[in-house]
Amino acid sequence: DVKVTQSSRYLVKRTGEKVFLECVQDMDHENMFWYRQDPGLGLRLIYFSYDVKMKEKGDIPEGYSVSREKKERFSLILESASTNQTSMYLCASSWPGGAGEETQYFGPGTRLLVL
Amino acid sequence: AQKVTQAQTEISVVEKEDVTLDCVYETRDTTYYLFWYKQPPSGELVFLIRRNSFDEQNEISGRYSWNFQKSTSSFNFTITASQVVDSAVYFCALGGGGSNYKLTFGKGTLLTVNP
Repeated sequence: DVKVTQSSRYLVKRTGEKVFLECVQDMDHENMFWYRQDPGLGLRLIYFSYDVKMKEKGDIPEGYSVSREKKERFSLILESASTNQTSMYLCASSWPGGAGEETQYFGPGTRLLVL
Repeated sequence: AQKVTQAQTEISVVEKEDVTLDCVYETRDTTYYLFWYKQPPSGELVFLIRRNSFDEQNEISGRYSWNFQKSTSSFNFTITASQVVDSAVYFCALGGGGSNYKLTFGKGTLLTVNP
């Protein structure tokens, strides 16, 4: 079974703090993704990575950065957290097929509250 | 641009009723992939099914069935004899051709199954 884990289920941070969200997958997937989910807006892609040290911006990359130093780990970084980044963050991974053909497997999500 | 529409924002049924969740998609690609995910209250997106654009066969898995119709650009999901455990948000998603890794998600349908 595919296993995607995220470092925290719930996180509370203060405005201006640097926040790290970690995601680890155990299926040797090349692709990894970060989404945020907000009521009424659905899932929106922040960044994805198709290989170690490779990344591409998704639909809403502003205010975020990512790091992929190892194949199994993909980190989302909020350089200076703001209240509008309060959200549910979901990590996913998939095999290397392009074209959106490969199934993405999701982690349990991190609910981030920025005060 | 790709688009997925789930017109039903919320559906409420009584246990043992059958329920159909609608999904309509738009794409210019000739090769594409359609997915359904379930998100229970715990938050994790659970993969249910993947279908490519060349396979229009309907699929049944236990109480779940999917009806893919290219002529109407629809990929509907039916739960037969619904149960309380089926209560969740259900997302339809579309992956496109070319080098685009991205999945486009619908905004989801909240299904509540009452005892």
